[in-house]
Amino acid sequence: DQQVKQNSPSLSVQEGRISILNCDYTNSMFDYFLWYKKYPAEGPTFLISISSIKDKNEDGRFTVFLNKSAKHLSLHIVPSQPGDSAVYFCAASVYNTDKLIFGTGTRLQVFP
Amino acid sequence: EAQVTQNPRYLITVTGKKLTVTCSQNMNHEYMSWYRQDPGLGLRQIYYSMNVEVTDKGDVPEGYKVSRKEKRNFPLILESPSPNQTSLYFCASSLGPALNYNSPLHFGNGTRLTVT
Repeated sequence: DQQVKQNSPSLSVQEGRISILNCDYTNSMFDYFLWYKKYPAEGPTFLISISSIKDKNEDGRFTVFLNKSAKHLSLHIVPSQPGDSAVYFCAASVYNTDKLIFGTGTRLQVFP
Repeated sequence: EAQVTQNPRYLITVTGKKLTVTCSQNMNHEYMSWYRQDPGLGLRQIYYSMNVEVTDKGDVPEGYKVSRKEKRNFPLILESPSPNQTSLYFCASSLGPALNYNSPLHFGNGTRLTVT
């Protein structure tokens, strides 16, 4: 049973435009959400996180939005750059516990 | 440089031949974990450790063993590998004994294992 779902396996966006990556979860106990970015031949790297007490968290070009009632979060990248081309994983956890559940990933390609 | 180091990066082996994938971190992290990445399944946790001599099963522990004798090392052991363990494996660590806002996971660069 996939508790964290990324229903779009891939996304293609033109440079300078907005990239929106989506993630849905089923476990209402999740209260801490993260996005990781992964380049080929490297491990995932932490990008941005959000707790359930917020509905938005911003870090430079990256903004994560959380809609608790819909059990949905999204990552916005504005403006998108070719270097953003990577696989993006969302992950969810119950705060201060030991388990982090990952989604299946979305491959973002930013073309010139 | 703060990092999580896994070895080897690539490994091809045969069914039943015991192997160990090493993982070491130089950040004095208490929490360490192993994940496997498979197409369409994302990253799934195999085992994790909250501190020395403290380990626990993740979501897919069958066929794997781990040990945590020292804080910096967390090897993954496959006693009798099978083809369904062909995968990309990641070791990760974080500062605290549990995941929180100030201690996101730091990942190694992965070990691609093929079992024939």
